[in-house]
Amino acid sequence: QKEVEQNSGPLSVPEGAIASLNCTYSDRVSQSFFWYRQYSGKSPELIMSIYSNGDKEDGRFTAQLNKASQYVSLLIRDSQPSDSATYLCAVALSGGYQKVTFGTGTKLQVIP
Amino acid sequence: GAVVSQHPSWVICKSGTSVKIECRSLDFQATTMFWYRQFPKQSLMLMATSNEGSKATYEQGVEKDKFLINHASLTLSTLTVTSAHPEDSSFYICSATEGGLYEQYFGPGTRLTVT
Repeated sequence: QKEVEQNSGPLSVPEGAIASLNCTYSDRVSQSFFWYRQYSGKSPELIMSIYSNGDKEDGRFTAQLNKASQYVSLLIRDSQPSDSATYLCAVALSGGYQKVTFGTGTKLQVIP
Repeated sequence: GAVVSQHPSWVICKSGTSVKIECRSLDFQATTMFWYRQFPKQSLMLMATSNEGSKATYEQGVEKDKFLINHASLTLSTLTVTSAHPEDSSFYICSATEGGLYEQYFGPGTRLTVT
């Protein structure tokens, strides 16, 4: 089992819809979770951090964490074509000395 | 805040030569810096982790004598690709964290082409 798993996609959603991106992780004691966005040919950009169970909202983005199920998700409301990118889930595993483990990413395509 | 720069943004070199890539944190002190490599349509691959003033910790399978990392100060880390070969052509990206935090802020990346 991979340490951080994501569906590679592509996930296609129409403009204006809600995009739901999911991630599971293997280490039960992980405490820090992140979502990064990476446009093609560019480096990743941090968009959300979440540390506690529940929801965290920032603009059109909502991160959801369920530690019991070892599951973290990212919802993008009112999806725009500019949201088309690969979304990377990252988890700080225990004993990682600030290192995080990245999933392989989910490619999101927002169709105009 | 949390801006990381990389230089150069792209470089072309001949096989057998060495290339140095700089990574700087512009508005914070980067206690830890990371170097990644990414091949086209593939995921990020962590190469090494470096702390200021310490030797870098390399991931399994990464040749430390080929990829020299120096974290000389709290704002600068360098990656030198020695005796580069065409298979080293890739997108090299650095990231940095501040204090004991886990949030990594990425530089814009350096695209290396070895001919």
